[in-house]
Amino acid sequence: NAGVTQTPKFQVLKTGQSMTLQCAQDMNHEYMSWYRQDPGMGLRLIHYSVGAGITDQGEVPNGYNVSRSTTEDFPLRLLSAAPSQTSVYFCASSYSVKGVRYFGPGTRLTVT
Amino acid sequence: AQRVTQPEKLLSVFKGAPVELKCNYSYSGSPELFWYVQYSRQRLQLLLRHISRESIKGFTADLNKGETSFHLKKPFAQEEDSAMYYCALQVGGGSNYKLTFGKGTLLTVNP
Repeated sequence: NAGVTQTPKFQVLKTGQSMTLQCAQDMNHEYMSWYRQDPGMGLRLIHYSVGAGITDQGEVPNGYNVSRSTTEDFPLRLLSAAPSQTSVYFCASSYSVKGVRYFGPGTRLTVT
Repeated sequence: AQRVTQPEKLLSVFKGAPVELKCNYSYSGSPELFWYVQYSRQRLQLLLRHISRESIKGFTADLNKGETSFHLKKPFAQEEDSAMYYCALQVGGGSNYKLTFGKGTLLTVNP
């Protein structure tokens, strides 16, 4: 199993540009989520999904969209990038609703 | 709203010394609590969950509902324990899949 994969690893955007961060898992997990990690802030939940076709907002959803058309994929879309979205983004998945079991390697995003 | 507090941003100990990473939470019900670890240049890993009462890599954590704490302990620290540690809280049930993380404690174990 590849586990949880994320692409790209690094990305630089200009303010106002849009892009999609890709996340995929091959473990047939129902539960997936997106977090951002900022220095001194820990991890904050952006959006999560409890199964294909079902998504919900986390703690910091503004400026981000998600969809879950398949069990495997959970892309995160930045609609109009802002410097405040400069961060490291982690995707995660679990077979259980209890906690997060597997994290992806992260995407480091810089918005100038 | 629930909250997780890790009062120490940085913690430095010597190899062989006991280590305790503090975690306090605010929630009036019965929470699920977790510790996660992130070694340098690696992805986050689940270290342990309170409900399983397990010991991983020599670490243990006990839930103290009276003090609303879930401190992580190890009797003899090793250099390879140097990492960022996050405490996390999950509340509710059903399809509630929201985890709240603390801000993390960077542990350095000196030789």
